[in-house]
Amino acid sequence: DIVMTQSPLFLPVTPGEPASMSCRSNQSLQHNSGYAYLDWYLQKPGQSPHLLIFLASNRASGVPDRFSGSGSGTDFTLKISRVEADDVGIYYCMQGLQTPFTFGPGTKVDFK
Amino acid sequence: QVQLVQSGAEVKKPGASVKISCKTYGDIFTKNYVSWVRQAPGQGPEWLATIDPLDVISKVAQNFQGRLTVSRDTSTSTLYIELSGLRHHDTAVYYCARGYCGRESCYKFDQWGQGTLITVS
Repeated sequence: DIVMTQSPLFLPVTPGEPASMSCRSNQSLQHNSGYAYLDWYLQKPGQSPHLLIFLASNRASGVPDRFSGSGSGTDFTLKISRVEADDVGIYYCMQGLQTPFTFGPGTKVDFK
Repeated sequence: QVQLVQSGAEVKKPGASVKISCKTYGDIFTKNYVSWVRQAPGQGPEWLATIDPLDVISKVAQNFQGRLTVSRDTSTSTLYIELSGLRHHDTAVYYCARGYCGRESCYKFDQWGQGTLITVS
């Protein structure tokens, strides 16, 4: 199985300031198509996860452009250019390259 | 409107089975792969299974093979998972989600059901 790790596990943030988190896999997530099969999801308390970024760097419909994803191979980053109040929650990365699809442990984002 | 609506919470005894439904709206049932994911209290999500729109290929996590069954009802555009031999650690919220998949890979789980809490006690 592909193992996903995330850091940090807790990220204290300040509104208006940038934030960044990392996701790593123990195998390359590059598909034959050239895309990295790495998605980012945000889960707020009591809610279903919702998609932010797919294929490492593509923003999902309706996701503000302050969110950006980058990376390839085994190293990926999610950045928030200016954190807003609505951004608190747990951010998960997920690899969809091969079954079992696996999620990272999550990065909990909350205000300082 | 594209939507997935799941069945309600249930409490089950150890050893029992549970069947969870995910009713789809829009084109999901005929055009999209649907995956099942669960999340135990305080834990990250765990992928369980994916079923294709033609009901030809379904992938089930190896840890659940023999215990998890995925099925579809064409007449109601509803998908189901059934988990047997329930144990305390099967207590979790179970989600269905629309994804985009090829033969081996999936990405972009962009529509999720509201979740179904299954408590084994």
